[in-house]
Amino acid sequence: EVQLVESGGGLVQPGGSLRLSCAASGFTFSSDWMSWVRQAPGKGLEWVANIKQDGSEKYYVDSVKGRFTISRDNAKSSLNLQMNSLRAEDTAVYYCARDLGWGEWLDPWGQGTLVTVSS
Amino acid sequence: SYELTQPLSVSVALGQTARITCGGNNIGSKNVHWYQQKPGQAPVLVIYRDTNRPSGIPERFSGSNSGNTATLTISRAQAGDEADYYCQVWDSSTVLFGGGTKLTVL
Repeated sequence: EVQLVESGGGLVQPGGSLRLSCAASGFTFSSDWMSWVRQAPGKGLEWVANIKQDGSEKYYVDSVKGRFTISRDNAKSSLNLQMNSLRAEDTAVYYCARDLGWGEWLDPWGQGTLVTVSS
Repeated sequence: SYELTQPLSVSVALGQTARITCGGNNIGSKNVHWYQQKPGQAPVLVIYRDTNRPSGIPERFSGSNSGNTATLTISRAQAGDEADYYCQVWDSSTVLFGGGTKLTVL
């Protein structure tokens, strides 16, 4: 069974940092793109970033460029999101998802981890 | 930048057919994917590449895509279909979601 489990969420002050992780199992992690998607409370889905199989290509939504960094460790089947200079508007549930690549879909998704940016 | 437009809400009577639209400039030239999200749960893929159903998704769910509109159709709507539905495409190296549609089954 394909499974994605996020961790690392929590409460952080504005300007602070947080590192999210996503543990993957049940598929060949190194064969797939991976994405992070977030959802602010009561709002819709917003794609945050994705990364190619070998980490050679990374893309970000404009609002997080220069602050967030996506990375992966294929040996550990792990996806990460380093979030710096956090703002109140970054408050959201963050999901990791297997990304089938250019033009394709996201499936499956993890259960999400909540990040709250507040003083 | 490319935008996807969905109605905020759609209502359907129990057992009837619901249609949720996703508008975008020449969206018919793109692959459109649809997700269902129930309260407190992660999104679930229900349609990929415009018309394809993943295994485990009922045949009642179908999709189409032409011109400037993609449509998710839910036939014989059930109470369990109440959820938020999102369309998704790729554009210029980024993943885009529509704003989401809340489906209410009356």
